[in-house]
Amino acid sequence: GAGVSQSPSNKVTEKGKDVELRCDPISGHTALYWYRQSLGQGLEFLIYFQGNSAPDKSGLPSDRFSAERTGGSVSTLTIQRTQQEDSAVYLCASSLDAWEKLFFGSGTQLSVL
Amino acid sequence: DQQVKQNSPSLSVQEGRISILNCDYTNSMFDYFLWYKKYPAEGPTFLISISSIKDKNEDGRFTVFLNKSAKHLSLHIVPSQPGDSAVYFCAASYGGTSYGKLTFGQGTILTVHP
Repeated sequence: GAGVSQSPSNKVTEKGKDVELRCDPISGHTALYWYRQSLGQGLEFLIYFQGNSAPDKSGLPSDRFSAERTGGSVSTLTIQRTQQEDSAVYLCASSLDAWEKLFFGSGTQLSVL
Repeated sequence: DQQVKQNSPSLSVQEGRISILNCDYTNSMFDYFLWYKKYPAEGPTFLISISSIKDKNEDGRFTVFLNKSAKHLSLHIVPSQPGDSAVYFCAASYGGTSYGKLTFGQGTILTVHP
């Protein structure tokens, strides 16, 4: 595909369950980012990948959050033992080298009941 | 603490008029600023940026102004068009950051009426 693809687009889960969110970046983009947007808030940086390594994971809110990237392409964000405050839109972005031109996916709307 | 603030949650303007969206920041280490535009059910898309060594940058109908002493930036859209109706986010980056670690404001909903 031409753009950043995220799945699922919507996810409803029960408190305490684990969820996995997937991101397919634009082909050839080496940098990949996860952001989240809580209701009424701006986008919040979570983690940055360059290739398969994550030099900056400073934005992950707790150790319940983890992310990996394989083959320099697909990335998965995992949230364990979800809490209601995890409800947000999780956005993935990728970039080639001009970092200001992040290309965002449409996001995954996560609702924790 | 909110380091980047957009104090106007919404703005409504008439087609053809100027739209002015404002953004304030508190961290003097920020030296690169960007505006993103977001339509419903889509991800944000990059609009325009400005480095702290400049005070103005133009791209077609869009101009961004930076006032470093006031820690304030603004986005001017002239003339406004109905297709500009979207959420606008300002974002900032630390000096020397070589990747897209951005701090975003809360966004301003712009509505342009025909």
